[in-house]
Amino acid sequence: KNEVEQSPQNLTAQEGEFITINCSYSVGISALHWLQQHPGGGIVSLFMLSSGKKKHGRLIATINIQEKHSSLHITASHPRDSAVYICAVTMYSGGGADGLTFGKGTHLIIQP
Amino acid sequence: DAGVTQSPTHLIKTRGQHVTLRCSPISGHKSVSWYQQVLGQGPQFIFQYYEKEERGRGNFPDRFSARQFPNYSSELNVNALLLGDSALYLCASSSGGRGNTIYFGEGSWLTVV
Repeated sequence: KNEVEQSPQNLTAQEGEFITINCSYSVGISALHWLQQHPGGGIVSLFMLSSGKKKHGRLIATINIQEKHSSLHITASHPRDSAVYICAVTMYSGGGADGLTFGKGTHLIIQP
Repeated sequence: DAGVTQSPTHLIKTRGQHVTLRCSPISGHKSVSWYQQVLGQGPQFIFQYYEKEERGRGNFPDRFSARQFPNYSSELNVNALLLGDSALYLCASSSGGRGNTIYFGEGSWLTVV
């Protein structure tokens, strides 16, 4: 079982729809990151969360530490939002690596 | 300010050869991490360096090594290349410490033939 699970793996929606991508993790973490990856490889950090909720433009990210669950929401989705969205965590190891552990990603396609 | 820069962007190597990938972090960032992303999968952690010391290592064989220089740039070296090493190699930098925003480079695409 992966330490970071995302759902759905693939999502196709119409322009304007409200999008939700879920992430569950099974380990203690110090931070959770939502990342966006476009074809060609480059990864952009969207949010870094350790508690609560953050909003940036049409993107909202929430995290529930007790339930080990996070969601990424996109409001008024647009075709330019089409990308792979990846959830990644920094594990709390009490010292040592800060390397990220990644989910497998959600491939989002927004159709006009 | 320049972001995280990686070189080369694309390269093709033959099985058994050696490869060196380079990464320059954002100015002021002391932490550099390396990740391998095989096509269709999420990235996998290879190494993290902070202040020129190895902070962590993922589950990769000893053919993979890295180092960080006094200017905080970093190299990832892979010896005795295998076909399965074909992947996108990503470098990320941060100011260090848990919970800091991480910035990724565009990656180096390695094809082993």
